[in-house]
Amino acid sequence: GNSVTQMEGPVTLSEEAFLTINCTYTATGYPSLFWYVQYPGEGLQLLLKATKADDKGSNKGFEATYRKETTSFHLEKGSVQVSDSAVYFCALSLRNTGGFKTIFGAGTRLFVKA
Amino acid sequence: NAGVMQNPRHLVRRRGQEARLRCSPMKGHSHVYWYRQLPEEGLKFMVYLQKENIIDESGMPKERFSAEFPKEGPSILRIQQVVRGDSAAYFCASSPPVTGAYEQYFGPGTRLTVT
Repeated sequence: GNSVTQMEGPVTLSEEAFLTINCTYTATGYPSLFWYVQYPGEGLQLLLKATKADDKGSNKGFEATYRKETTSFHLEKGSVQVSDSAVYFCALSLRNTGGFKTIFGAGTRLFVKA
Repeated sequence: NAGVMQNPRHLVRRRGQEARLRCSPMKGHSHVYWYRQLPEEGLKFMVYLQKENIIDESGMPKERFSAEFPKEGPSILRIQQVVRGDSAAYFCASSPPVTGAYEQYFGPGTRLTVT
């Protein structure tokens, strides 16, 4: 079946530290991959995406590369800020007989300390 | 272009009452998804609808829950005879008819509290 596994949180970092949040997936077919971010009290926002192998998605200093050989889509940022504190969700999306199917990981909470 | 709108943002119901949650997708979007999120947990898919059609309801509880997306007006998630375990944040998302990557755009959520 299709699934997304991401590292458990919370992840606590100091400001300007390097961030990695691991995400691996299993999927039948060729999914698109996403990272969404959820700030407290809000809905999810699309952070970045990649639609095929070796694509790199990037936005606001965050990056993730679609690695088909390792079925991974790890999120990275070189220097985190306090304002990056949020919950990050990895997701995959693909067509199925019913239309589209999106599967979310369990989320990883990030705390950034000043 | 207004984003996905949900109302109410907060809803309090007593056990046994009905809850109606509304979602207006982004302009031009014809696909709507409903998710439930319990405190400190991830998103649980509930249902996927297109105009006047339920495409995938594999995540919907078999009883008390229903969803619709009429030709005109918002999508409605209806919970009958609510119980305490229904307390959660309910998020709606929409996507355009055809995209290359199937990304979804989320509303701010409705936080349901059952007392």
